[in-house]
Amino acid sequence: SAVISQKPSRDICQRGTSLTIQCQVDSQVTMMFWYRQQPGQSLTLIATANQGSEATYESGFVIDKFPISRPNLTFSTLTVSNMSPEDSSIYLCSVEAATGDTGELFFGEGSRLTVL
Amino acid sequence: AQRVTQPEKLLSVFKGAPVELKCNYSYSGSPELFWYVQYSRQRLQLLLRHISRESIKGFTADLNKGETSFHLKKPFAQEEDSAMYYCALRSDSWGKLQFGAGTQVVVTP
Repeated sequence: SAVISQKPSRDICQRGTSLTIQCQVDSQVTMMFWYRQQPGQSLTLIATANQGSEATYESGFVIDKFPISRPNLTFSTLTVSNMSPEDSSIYLCSVEAATGDTGELFFGEGSRLTVL
Repeated sequence: AQRVTQPEKLLSVFKGAPVELKCNYSYSGSPELFWYVQYSRQRLQLLLRHISRESIKGFTADLNKGETSFHLKKPFAQEEDSAMYYCALRSDSWGKLQFGAGTQVVVTP
């Protein structure tokens, strides 16, 4: 299993500013994933964060808007840049870790951002 | 393109009544299907996966490839089952899931 801690748990931000969300895992994992959950919507994958290489972004998400760092196997950050009210969402960090003889996706508690 | 559809946004059932959450998917290959649950003020967590073929907290789900469905069922709902339930599909990429819109289940006494 994996225990994931995210900071901040919530924040209120002003339009045009940037915020960095931190994700710490209690074990070493190869890939970490960042999801977004907009109000009333489902989870959407933003990008896959690989240690030692650039993140891989899903369609509709770009590095300039959501830069990601992955300095080691237990930590990643997601920055939401030049925020607008449309960026108000819950951002979730997740990792796949082994459970028994298979894998499972574990999630952090999420970071709820409100952009005014 | 792969897609996961959960047609019900809200399911309200009485305690002891059966509950069924519908999930349909579209995917050309062999998918791996999951049900995730989020209880109030808790993080999203795995409830069950189709390859395990097990019952978790009284819930079961059978993958029907002919109907491309993975409905979640429980014969007797309990108040503690009140939560948000997400159906998810994993195609080929490690750890990447496609989620449905979610179904809010409310079990009333």
